[in-house]
Amino acid sequence: EAQVTQNPRYLITVTGKKLTVTCSQNMNHEYMSWYRQDPGLGLRQIYYSMNVEVTDKGDVPEGYKVSRKEKRNFPLILESPSPNQTSLYFCASSFMWDDNYGYTFGSGTRLTVV
Amino acid sequence: DAKTTQPTSMDCAEGRAANLPCNHSTISGNEYVYWYRQIHSQGPQYIIHGLKNNETNEMASLIITEDRKSSTLILPHATLRDTAVYYCIASSNDYKLSFGAGTTVTVRA
Repeated sequence: EAQVTQNPRYLITVTGKKLTVTCSQNMNHEYMSWYRQDPGLGLRQIYYSMNVEVTDKGDVPEGYKVSRKEKRNFPLILESPSPNQTSLYFCASSFMWDDNYGYTFGSGTRLTVV
Repeated sequence: DAKTTQPTSMDCAEGRAANLPCNHSTISGNEYVYWYRQIHSQGPQYIIHGLKNNETNEMASLIITEDRKSSTLILPHATLRDTAVYYCIASSNDYKLSFGAGTTVTVRA
């Protein structure tokens, strides 16, 4: 089944403890992206990648890192999480050069930083 | 990206067509209109997009006015499973889509 898989689905962590949220897609998509969703603020883009080793900042990149060493994986790294990074996170992917398809989103990761 | 304006919420009856309006009066010539929906904190789901011609797929139809300043998403036979937040986005960069507040659509039996 074509899908974007995020892990974990739920995570509670403490301030300052480094964590990684994984994202993997099995559709050979060039493009991948991370969003966070907060009440009243909608979905905001954190980082995106248009291909392997190509990443760029979205609207709210502060406090996050990403890497794209392989086409299928796009992990989101929080080096020193803080409570204001408590949020619902979504990974998305799509083809870059075929505009007949939109983004495919993962099921989300609900992160709580205490 | 052009600003889009959608109603905050709307109801529709199960089995009837649901017509979701979106205003994008400042849209530029190279900006597409995209529609996504999000069912209760699940990942958003792509519905349809278009530039100036009307579009139809298995989920919905997209009607764009001739001046492109507004559009309507039509769900032809709404079901309870269509209850969701619907996002209308106008953008020339399909790799930097901005999701606003959307329209909360409630389908009632």
